[in-house]
Amino acid sequence: AQKITQTQPGMFVQEKEAVTLDCTYDTSDPSYGLFWYKQPSSGEMIFLIYQGSYDQQNATEGRYSLNFQKARKSANLVISASQLGDSAMYFCAMRGVIQGAQKLVFGQGTRLTINP
Amino acid sequence: NAGVMQNPRHLVRRRGQEARLRCSPMKGHSHVYWYRQLPEEGLKFMVYLQKENIIDESGMPKERFSAEFPKEGPSILRIQQVVRGDSAAYFCASSATGTNEKLFFGSGTQLSVL
Repeated sequence: AQKITQTQPGMFVQEKEAVTLDCTYDTSDPSYGLFWYKQPSSGEMIFLIYQGSYDQQNATEGRYSLNFQKARKSANLVISASQLGDSAMYFCAMRGVIQGAQKLVFGQGTRLTINP
Repeated sequence: NAGVMQNPRHLVRRRGQEARLRCSPMKGHSHVYWYRQLPEEGLKFMVYLQKENIIDESGMPKERFSAEFPKEGPSILRIQQVVRGDSAAYFCASSATGTNEKLFFGSGTQLSVL
């Protein structure tokens, strides 16, 4: 079975600092995908970044980057130069390509608060 | 280029009533997924549908819940005889193919059962 663990229920960061949100995963699939989503207080799920298990380089999307360490089974999200608008819940998720190919498994989430 | 559209945004039902949640996928998408989010938790997979077919319903409760994605019209998640424990946010997502990297989510329907 696939499992995602986010060990930080909440984080508080000063504006303009970089922040790392932790995510570890467990799977027996040889091929899989890892996602990060942002959920602001309005409730919608916003796709941030995707990393394939066979991608050679860590994914980057603007201020977001994914620190993918396959041997450690970790996929931490790094947000550079944080902004007040980054305050939200952040979810790490995994999709298997062979088992449960169409399902995303989500972690419990991390509530990020950016202080001015 | 509209995204995934869900309606209603908020739905209030009394215990025992039926709830119908609608999801229109993004244009050109024929794969639809339903997820449920309880307060302060991550999303949990419920069901995966393609046009007129249920592909995977392993996350659906065995009773009172059903889903469809007809040839024409939106996907419907139906909850019969709702109970307070059904109160949650229900999200729909769509993709163009079953293994698309990006799964696009709608804004969700917040169901409250009184």
